Amino acid sequence: KAGVTQTPRYLIKTRGQQVTLSCSPISGHRSVSWYQQTPGQGLQFLFEYFSETQRNKGNFPGRFSGRQFSNSRSEMNVSTLELGDSALYLCASSLAGGQGITDTQYFGPGTRLTVL
Amino acid sequence: AQSVAQPEDQVNVAEGNPLTVKCTYSVSGNPYLFWYVQYPNRGLQFLLKYITGDNLVKGSYGFEAEFNKSQTSFHLKKPSALVSDSALYFCAVRPPYGGATNKLIFGTGTLLAVQP
Repeated sequence: KAGVTQTPRYLIKTRGQQVTLSCSPISGHRSVSWYQQTPGQGLQFLFEYFSETQRNKGNFPGRFSGRQFSNSRSEMNVSTLELGDSALYLCASSLAGGQGITDTQYFGPGTRLTVL
Repeated sequence: AQSVAQPEDQVNVAEGNPLTVKCTYSVSGNPYLFWYVQYPNRGLQFLLKYITGDNLVKGSYGFEAEFNKSQTSFHLKKPSALVSDSALYFCAVRPPYGGATNKLIFGTGTLLAVQP
């Protein structure tokens, strides 16, 4: 089975621009979560989607948004980019049937976003 | 607040020696605990998880972890370290509450350096 894929792998943007990152989960996985990784804040949960619905959200401003499509692929969008948004954005997928509390999340390679 | 602590920023060990990477948690109820490893410019790779049952969990690449409820710890161990084990290790917890969610709370990470 192919793993979680993320595109693009690298992005360079300037302040004020917006960006869209894409994530394709492992085949059959219905839950997709997004995390931001920075040297200062570590790994922080952004949001989680299951069956096209956001079912959990982290403590990030409204500039960060996401969605999930019927094929479980997910996108996240960051509007009005700030320097502090420079980070590695990681996507993770899991089966998440029912409560899904024991499912393992499998991570993609990440998208490295640099904001200048 | 739910949290995970990795008290050591870096652990140095000689190849062939046993290694331990420490993790303690603060979660109400029975936690679900995970270990992930991250190699440079890569995403997170799942190593093992504790959900319930035997306190000693065996995972990938010869790693194991011991769940200790009284000490609220979940230390990662390996009997004989390899240079290729050098990487960044993350402990994570999924709180056993809040309904269906896959949100993970991560520790700050421990850099493992194995000297030849």
